[in-house]
Amino acid sequence: QVQLVESGGGVVQPGRSLRLSCAASGFSFSTYAMHWVRQAPGMGPLSVALISYDGRNKFYADSVKGRFTISRDNSQNTLSLQMDSLRPEDTAVYYCAREANSHTQSPRGSLEYWGQGTLVAVSS
Amino acid sequence: DIQMTQSPSSVSASVGDRVTITCRASQGVRSWLAWYQQKPGRAPRLLIYAASSLQTGVPSRFSGSESGTQFTLTISSLQPEDFATYYCQQADTFPWTFGQGTKVEIK
Repeated sequence: QVQLVESGGGVVQPGRSLRLSCAASGFSFSTYAMHWVRQAPGMGPLSVALISYDGRNKFYADSVKGRFTISRDNSQNTLSLQMDSLRPEDTAVYYCAREANSHTQSPRGSLEYWGQGTLVAVSS
Repeated sequence: DIQMTQSPSSVSASVGDRVTITCRASQGVRSWLAWYQQKPGRAPRLLIYAASSLQTGVPSRFSGSESGTQFTLTISSLQPEDFATYYCQQADTFPWTFGQGTKVEIK
């Protein structure tokens, strides 16, 4: 079955860096676009970074552009998010999530599988 | 970013009730609208995609519809396991944005 397992969260001071990882299994990782979605306490989620199935195309929310970098290793079935210059407003649970359809299928514009999430807390 | 506004923010209902949640986009999103259910401490679960298509495995009491930039999620007969928070999400333009949520509570 499809599994997404995040790791790397924790408490970090403002201005510092953190790297999140997501280990994927149970599906053909190299054929799906992947997202990092964050959810601040009591708020709705927000997709902050998207990477295409082959890693060639990357998109970022304005709130993280220039500070966060999404990447993937299709040989290792892993997704990563490098977070630099962290701010208190980056505090959230971070999920990796898989789009519903592979790049060979018609897009559905939805996230079918999610990890359990990892908490990032930015505080001095 | 496209703003997604849900109403109501919370609703109290009883088992068997019909519940309707509305989501309005700040600009056109065509039919790139999904609905999710989230329970405390859990990741969101996909219910509806493309505004009205039921995700595999989701009970048929859930349905979605659209009218212009307004979208609706309907639960035809609320079940005990449906008490949760519901979110809409647009996928027309990145970043994919979600509404602020509608909490369905036990009356």
